[in-house]
Amino acid sequence: AQSVTQLGSHVSVSEGALVLLRCNYSSSVPPYLFWYVQYPNQGLQLLLKYTSAATLVKGINGFEAEFKKSETSFHLTKPSAHMSDAAEYFCAVSTDGSSNTGKLIFGQGTTLQVKP
Amino acid sequence: EPEVTQTPSHQVTQMGQEVILRCVPISNHLYFYWYRQILGQKVEFLVSFYNNEISEKSEIFDDQFSVERPDGSNFTLKIRSTKLEDSAMYFCASSGDSNEQFFGPGTRLTVL
Repeated sequence: AQSVTQLGSHVSVSEGALVLLRCNYSSSVPPYLFWYVQYPNQGLQLLLKYTSAATLVKGINGFEAEFKKSETSFHLTKPSAHMSDAAEYFCAVSTDGSSNTGKLIFGQGTTLQVKP
Repeated sequence: EPEVTQTPSHQVTQMGQEVILRCVPISNHLYFYWYRQILGQKVEFLVSFYNNEISEKSEIFDDQFSVERPDGSNFTLKIRSTKLEDSAMYFCASSGDSNEQFFGPGTRLTVL
């Protein structure tokens, strides 16, 4: 069975500093992995996804993530935080990435705070 | 840009009452999902729907829950007799050719 663990429910960085949000997964099949962002009072927006192609995935808003099979990790990074990055971030794994019927299994979420 | 919409944004109901949460998926999408997020907890899968039938459902999705696509545009989640523990944010999602699921803004359900 698939599962996702996000280390750190709350991360605080200064504006301009590196953002690192950690995600580890467990999957018995090659995983499809996703990062979603949720701004206050809004739905989940896809930041980026890994679908077994390039291991370094670039997403929107300057975010990227690297799939490391040996570490079962898919950490999200951004070189320089902006105030507008403050939000909740969810890592998710698809139970069947090769089809559209696969459900998403989400991590607990990480709240990113950006200090001026 | 097409988006998934949900109504209402907030629903307050009494325990034991029926509620219907409505979603309008992106128009050319064929795969539909409901998820929920209890306050302070992770987002949980409820059900997926394709070709007018349920593809998969979680153990949360018991006989009190049902889904329907009553017409070509709406996708609804019905809870027949709400319980206090049904209070949560309910998200609808849809997907098309890619395996990306597009989420709506959610309906916050409060059961009193």
